[in-house]
Parts: sequence; structure tokens; C-alpha cells
Amino acid sequence: DGGITQSPKYLFRKEGQNVTLSCEQNLNHDAMYWYRQDPGQGLRLIYYSQIVNDFQKGDIAEGYSVSREKKESFPLTVTSAQKNPTAFYLCASSPLAGGTGANVLTFGAGSRLTVL
Amino acid sequence: GESVGLHLPTLSVQEGDNSIINCAYSNSASDYFIWYKQESGKGPQFIIDIRSNMDKRQGQRVTVLLNKTVKHLSLQIAATQPGDSAVYFCAEKPDQAGTALIFGKGTTLSVSS
Repeated sequence: DGGITQSPKYLFRKEGQNVTLSCEQNLNHDAMYWYRQDPGQGLRLIYYSQIVNDFQKGDIAEGYSVSREKKESFPLTVTSAQKNPTAFYLCASSPLAGGTGANVLTFGAGSRLTVL
Repeated sequence: GESVGLHLPTLSVQEGDNSIINCAYSNSASDYFIWYKQESGKGPQFIIDIRSNMDKRQGQRVTVLLNKTVKHLSLQIAATQPGDSAVYFCAEKPDQAGTALIFGKGTTLSVSS
């Protein structure tokens, strides 16, 4: 089955530690995205990538970093510079802009990060 | 501030009623809109979309209405069922190459039997 796999589902981190959230897709989508979701809030864009080896900052990129070495993978690192990292993180992908369904995002099941 | 927002954070309905979830957007240049459903602990799932050259689109038990004059979007769910209980988000796509979807804060729909 095609889809997006995020891991781990739950992650605990001590203050000052960097953590990396994995996101893998087998949908052959060109674009991938990371959103952050806080209770009672909408989804806020952290980073997105439309092509391998290229990515753009979203609205809340500070304290986060990403890489896009492969089309299928878009890992997100939450660094110690992120002051309030406890949240639900969602990865998504979509076909390249201009194609059929280009704007429709397919989401993973999410990763819940808790800072202790 | 938020480019896309929802009028009510929560909506409670009885099973079998019709539900209407509203969304206001501020970017008049947006040309595409999507409704997503998110169940507890899961990622959002696509429900229905509409382009700015349309004012209505129907799916299975769902209808999306777009009023560009007042920049308003609504999702209507017919014969609401307990399985429809979830958070519903609207999202807009600005008409600019290389931009991502912008999401609103969501409305929590609770359906009681």
C-alpha cells in the first residue's frame, strides 16, 4: 500500500537534546512537508521541499532543520534551539505542482514529541 | 495572523442532523481550497476540494460551498453519523508558485447518538 510512514509515533526528549523525526513516502510524490500541531491550533508549516536537495522555510522554521537527500525521505531534526518543542508533528507529501492532485496533501499518522 | 480561520471551535450535533462547518479566509488570491478531517491521534485525511472558479462541489454526503465575495467556505455534512466526530480543517492554496497549503485552526465536531 502506498502511503507515508512517520516514526517514532511517540518520542520523549530531555531539554538540550536534538531529536530527528523520520518521514518516508512511497507515493512517488515530489513535494514533502512538515507541519506542527499544538492543542486547539491549526497546522503550522515548518519546512517544505519540492525537489531533492532543495527545501524552503515555512512560517515557524526557527529551531528546526531538514534534509532531502532522497525523494522518498524528508527527516526533521528538532534542535535544542527550539524553545517549546512539545507538539504533534505531521509529515505530508503531494505530487509536483501543476500535476493532477498537485495541491492535495497526503499526511502521515504523526509523531508526538514530549520534552521532559 | 491566521490567513484561514474557522468561525466556531466546536460544534455539537445529534446523529442524523445535517452539520455545517464554516471557514473564513483572508487571501483573495487563493485559488484552491480543501477540507480535511482529523480523527484523534491521526493525521488529517482529505475530504473534498474546490477551485475558485466554482461555488459548489458535492461528494458523498458532503458539500463544499465557496463564496468568494465574502471569502467564506463551508462544509456541509448530511445525515451526520458518530463516525463523523473529528476535527475539521479548511486549507487554502495561495495562487503563487511554490507555496504550501495554509490551514485554519479547526472545528471539533461532536456527534451524539
